Amino acid sequence: QKEVEQNSGPLSVPEGAIASLNCTYSDRVSQSFFWYRQYSGKSPELIMSIYSNGDKEDGRFTAQLNKASQYVSLLIRDSQPSDSATYLCAVIFQGAQKLVFGQGTRLTINP
Amino acid sequence: EAQVTQNPRYLITVTGKKLTVTCSQNMNHEYMSWYRQDPGLGLRQIYYSMNVEVTDKGDVPEGYKVSRKEKRNFPLILESPSPNQTSLYFCASTHSGRAIYEQYFGPGTRLTVT
Repeated sequence: QKEVEQNSGPLSVPEGAIASLNCTYSDRVSQSFFWYRQYSGKSPELIMSIYSNGDKEDGRFTAQLNKASQYVSLLIRDSQPSDSATYLCAVIFQGAQKLVFGQGTRLTINP
Repeated sequence: EAQVTQNPRYLITVTGKKLTVTCSQNMNHEYMSWYRQDPGLGLRQIYYSMNVEVTDKGDVPEGYKVSRKEKRNFPLILESPSPNQTSLYFCASTHSGRAIYEQYFGPGTRLTVT
């Protein structure tokens, strides 16, 4: 079982709708959670970081963390075609000195 | 502008010819790291550094070397590149001496070894 798992997609969402991206992680003590957006051939771009249970909102993006369920999600409201990209979930487990990435979910926003 | 830079951005080389990929950050970050990204395998850490003269192996260090003589620079060295090191390489940094906060990535270096 991979330490960080995402549905690879593709996930197709109509423009203006809410895109919901999910990520689960292994049963290890974890301390930091991140969502990165990556366009094809480009570097990962940090969108959201979340460190404690609950919701964190930043503009059209909301990250949700539930440590009891080992689950972190990203909601994108009012989806735009420019949101079409691969979204990478990353976790830092306690004591580790690296980001552990999921495989990424490819999101397509249809005009 | 705060940024992580990498050079070269694209490199095609032959097996066995030593090469260096440079990474530099202008944010006075303590922690720096190298990742490689491969289809189906995702992003994996090669080496990291928590400060000057402090480096350690990540998940896939074989065939790579690093050095951290200055805070801003963290070059990745391939002493004898092989075709299985063909990949997309990213350098990243964060302000803490530990990897618990947001990491910012450089633009990437696409390496092809023939």
